[in-house]
Amino acid sequence: GDSVTQMEGPVTLSEEAFLTINCTYTATGYPSLFWYVQYPGEGLQLLLKATKADDKGSNKGFEATYRKETTSFHLEKGSVQVSDSAVYFCALKGIETSGSRLTFGEGTQLTVNP
Amino acid sequence: NAGVTQTPKFRILKIGQSMTLQCAQDMNHNYMYWYRQDPGMGLKLIYYSVGAGITDKGEVPNGYNVSRSTTEDFPLRLELAAPSQTSVYFCASSPREGVWNTEAFFGQGTRLTVV
Repeated sequence: GDSVTQMEGPVTLSEEAFLTINCTYTATGYPSLFWYVQYPGEGLQLLLKATKADDKGSNKGFEATYRKETTSFHLEKGSVQVSDSAVYFCALKGIETSGSRLTFGEGTQLTVNP
Repeated sequence: NAGVTQTPKFRILKIGQSMTLQCAQDMNHNYMYWYRQDPGMGLKLIYYSVGAGITDKGEVPNGYNVSRSTTEDFPLRLELAAPSQTSVYFCASSPREGVWNTEAFFGQGTRLTVV
C-alpha cells in the first residue's frame, strides 16, 4: 500500500537558517504530493502541492519538487522565521486509492529560535 | 466562509461513556474523512465517505461508527470510550471534481481525553 516517510524530528533552527525536511514515498503510479502545516492549536492547512513529476510547488517561501526517480518531495526554505514554527506533514493521494484519501507521514516538528 | 466545522473543540470522557463528534462542511464536497492524530504518529484514517449514504472503513475503525445522511454532515460516534481513544480528531473534506490532485480541507480538530 501507499506510505510516506518523513525525516525524524524535532528540528530546531535559528532564524534565517536554511530548512530541509526530507520526505520519501511509496505508491503505485504517479500520486499527487502535498505538504501540510499545522500551527499550534490549529488544524492542518495546505502549504503546497505538486501533481506530476518534476512539478515544483511553492508558497510563502517554501518549495518542494516532485522527484519521481527518487520518489521524494523534500520541503525547503531558504531563510526560516520564528513564525514558521509548526508541525509539517508530507502526504500523498494515490491514483488507485479508494476514496481518494490522503496518506500522511509522521510529521516533523520545527522550532525556530530568534 | 466557514469551511469545515467541528464540535466540540475539547471533551473529557469517562471510560465506557459514549459521544458523537460533529463535523459539517458548507463547500458541497462529496468526499469526507475522519482522522485521528496521535503524538509522533501522523494522521490515521478512521472512516471516510464518498457521498451521502456511502461510508467505508479506513485504517483504524475499531471502536467508532459513522453515518452520512446528508452531503454536509459526517458525525463520528464513539461507543464505550477507552483510554486508547484519547487523541485529536480531525474531520476533512474534498470536492469530487479533480479529486486525485485536489487537497483536503481540514477542521480545527477535537481534542478528546478518556479517563
